[in-house]
Amino acid sequence: DGGITQSPKYLFRKEGQNVTLSCEQNLNHDAMYWYRQDPGQGLRLIYYSQIVNDFQKGDIAEGYSVSREKKESFPLTVTSAQKNPTAFYLCASRAPGGAYIQYFGAGTRLSVL
Amino acid sequence: GQQLNQSPQSMFIQEGEDVSMNCTSSSIFNTWLWYKQDPGEGPVLLIALYKAGELTSNGRLTAQFGITRKDSFLNISASIPSDVGIYFCAGRSGSARQLTFGSGTQLTVLP
Repeated sequence: DGGITQSPKYLFRKEGQNVTLSCEQNLNHDAMYWYRQDPGQGLRLIYYSQIVNDFQKGDIAEGYSVSREKKESFPLTVTSAQKNPTAFYLCASRAPGGAYIQYFGAGTRLSVL
Repeated sequence: GQQLNQSPQSMFIQEGEDVSMNCTSSSIFNTWLWYKQDPGEGPVLLIALYKAGELTSNGRLTAQFGITRKDSFLNISASIPSDVGIYFCAGRSGSARQLTFGSGTQLTVLP
């Protein structure tokens, strides 16, 4: 069935290490998004992509990188430059149309060892 | 940028009670969305609103698009334990290329 798959569910990062979070969708959506969620806070936009091979920085892009080589995939790399990476990361894709409705994956919880 | 003020930040209610929460925007929105997030999961869309004054229900949930187009309300009637979670509002103005999210309302239902 259609949906958005994020993996892994839990991820641990060591000091100085880059880690990559996977996001795959089979909804045939053009636009995809990455959000960061901290306890008690809302969703903050990290990066978004409107179409393959194109992406834009969101509100908190520093210390993160993305790629969009395929329509179905939008991986997020948390680099060693991100000094406070512990958070819940959510990937979303957007349905066509002007309402901009987004559908979310189940999230990846990243912790620092 | 656009800001959404969602209130209350948290609510503790008895099972069976009704719940109300709201969001206000600093600018006019063309779309209002309400999501629910269960612990450790991603948000799930509950209701989408597309025009001012619109009132839409989804089971025990009812949401309204404010007539000023700067606010929206979500009501839950006869709450049950599985209503526990974080409720987010989200909206989009005509010029924006992405949604703006509220900070969420954490709902706890006491038995």
